[in-house]
Amino acid sequence: EAGVAQSPRYKIIEKRQSVAFWCNPISGHATLYWYQQILGQGPKLLIQFQNNGVVDDSQLPKDRFSAERLKGVDSTLKIQPAKLEDSAVYLCASSQEVRSGNTIYFGEGSWLTVV
Amino acid sequence: SQQGEEDPQALSIQEGENATMNCSYKTSINNLQWYRQNSGRGLVHLILIRSNEREKHSGRLRVTLDTSKKSSSLLITASRAADTASYFCATDGGRLGRRALTFGSGTRLQVQP
Repeated sequence: EAGVAQSPRYKIIEKRQSVAFWCNPISGHATLYWYQQILGQGPKLLIQFQNNGVVDDSQLPKDRFSAERLKGVDSTLKIQPAKLEDSAVYLCASSQEVRSGNTIYFGEGSWLTVV
Repeated sequence: SQQGEEDPQALSIQEGENATMNCSYKTSINNLQWYRQNSGRGLVHLILIRSNEREKHSGRLRVTLDTSKKSSSLLITASRAADTASYFCATDGGRLGRRALTFGSGTRLQVQP
């Protein structure tokens, strides 16, 4: 079974520029997550989708971050304008459904460096 | 905010030794999971323990859960160099529909060959 696909793997941008990350979850997985992982820290949830609806975006900095999940499959995460503190790995993950005890499958991450 | 806090932050052991990592959390949970992350890679699920369980085994992994102390431990027996990675605990205690995992800060394990 194919895993969670993310692109690009690496991106370097200047502050105030914009960037977009793409994620294709495991086929059939209804729930999709975007996590931000700053170096040396654990992942922090940015947004959770159930199909194409937002379940939780309470920790998403909405003044600069946006995410969408078209047709309940692929998702994009956009940052505009980027700040230095946005340098992190952006991890996309998916699970079959929203219920306790579901295993979450992670992609390899998109590494962002803002200079 | 981080729900779990791992201890120690870093651990270095020799191949063949056992590695023990601890996790403490703050709020009530439905279950607790442990994930592994190799350098530069995504996270991989290792094991899940439910709030009504006290101990669980999977191969060389042993997880314990003490809900009264809000703590869990992960034991890796007979460690190998390939076990070198960061290990994270993650809790799931949200209300229905909001069960995204909350991760701790991780333990970086180095197994010396």
